[in-house]
Amino acid sequence: EDQVTQSPEALRLQEGESSSLNCSYTVSGLRGLFWYRQDPGKGPEFLFTLYSAGEEKEKERLKATLTKKESFLHITAPKPEDSATYLCAVQALGNTGKLIFGQGTTLQVKP
Amino acid sequence: DAGITQSPRHKVTETGTPVTLRCHQTENHRYMYWYRQDPGHGLRLIHYSYGVKDTDKGEVSDGYSVSRSKTEDFLLTLESATSSQTSVYFCAISDMGGQNQPQHFGDGTRLSIL
Repeated sequence: EDQVTQSPEALRLQEGESSSLNCSYTVSGLRGLFWYRQDPGKGPEFLFTLYSAGEEKEKERLKATLTKKESFLHITAPKPEDSATYLCAVQALGNTGKLIFGQGTTLQVKP
Repeated sequence: DAGITQSPRHKVTETGTPVTLRCHQTENHRYMYWYRQDPGHGLRLIHYSYGVKDTDKGEVSDGYSVSRSKTEDFLLTLESATSSQTSVYFCAISDMGGQNQPQHFGDGTRLSIL
């Protein structure tokens, strides 16, 4: 069964304190792994797609990496505006567009 | 931002009543999806569509039906709402669902069933 587990469930950081969020997955052939950001009362906002182990993508203070079993979202020198819930999702081979989501990590960055 | 509009944004209704949620897109994307988001479960796929009049079931489809009579609109219907269907419902779209294209989400409908 395809499954995605994110850890930790919640993370509190001081502004400037770098950290990483984890997304572990089991899937019968990975087509793609997706990271989203979700603000309260809003829909998920797309951040990155990773396709194969070893791949990395960056956007501002965020960097996503992928191995055969997990993905990390590294947050460097976070700011309060980075506070949000970060969602990870996988798409398996043969599943037309279907995404399996993890439960998310809620990040709070204090000034 | 992707042109996705969900309506209504909030709705309160009673058990046993029918409810229809609407998703409207202006991107001319082929694929449309309905998810529900609940604490402790994350986002779960209800139904999806891969073209006009072409739909399929997702992970949690019981008690829900969908229709897509034109590219831009995807309707989700709860035939007889139950309290377990209280949730936040999100619509998503993608250009080519089987080709690694990311899904883009609307801002959701918060549905309460009393």
